[in-house]
Amino acid sequence: NAGVMQNPRHLVRRRGQEARLRCSPMKGHSHVYWYRQLPEEGLKFMVYLQKENIIDESGMPKERFSAEFPKEGPSILRIQQVVRGDSAAYFCASSPTGRSSPLHFGNGTRLTVT
Amino acid sequence: GQQLNQSPQSMFIQEGEDVSMNCTSSSIFNTWLWYKQDPGEGPVLLIALYKAGELTSNGRLTAQFGITRKDSFLNISASIPSDVGIYFCAGQLGGGATNKLIFGTGTLLAVQP
Repeated sequence: NAGVMQNPRHLVRRRGQEARLRCSPMKGHSHVYWYRQLPEEGLKFMVYLQKENIIDESGMPKERFSAEFPKEGPSILRIQQVVRGDSAAYFCASSPTGRSSPLHFGNGTRLTVT
Repeated sequence: GQQLNQSPQSMFIQEGEDVSMNCTSSSIFNTWLWYKQDPGEGPVLLIALYKAGELTSNGRLTAQFGITRKDSFLNISASIPSDVGIYFCAGQLGGGATNKLIFGTGTLLAVQP
């Protein structure tokens, strides 16, 4: 299966710890998007990256959250000093181009902060 | 953040019935997409629409891109139990920094056999 791969599927962190979420896009896709979904809500855009560049981070909280998509390896969404409100499902999507191409989603990482 | 208004919020129907849901926005989009999400999974793309007025089918699913570019609807004909899930519309401005999707609030569909 050459779909979008996210890991881990489930992640439990205590308040104050760091969470690292990884996303490998579909083969041939160089555009990655991160979304957050709270229980029983829709998906909210966080950040859009192309290889080594952040294109749009208008949905990212100003503090504690960062994202990268290095030349080699997966895209990483990092949450520092997690709080209970960070508990959510985080989805990664990828597309082959940056122009009106549909996004294909992974199965998400479910972060629980205790 | 910006969200699209999707209705109805939920639907409870009998197997074999047809279903219709729609999505409206105060903003114009260049692309409309419809996704389905099963519990514990990511959204799966059902239909993509690229032109105002476009009507596209995928099996029992039909979707239309509104002429004003501010709305879209999805119809499911002859529903079956595996249609159960949450359906999301998404609008896309397209091109460079605006390729991100804005999602609707979702329609929960329950189908009784």
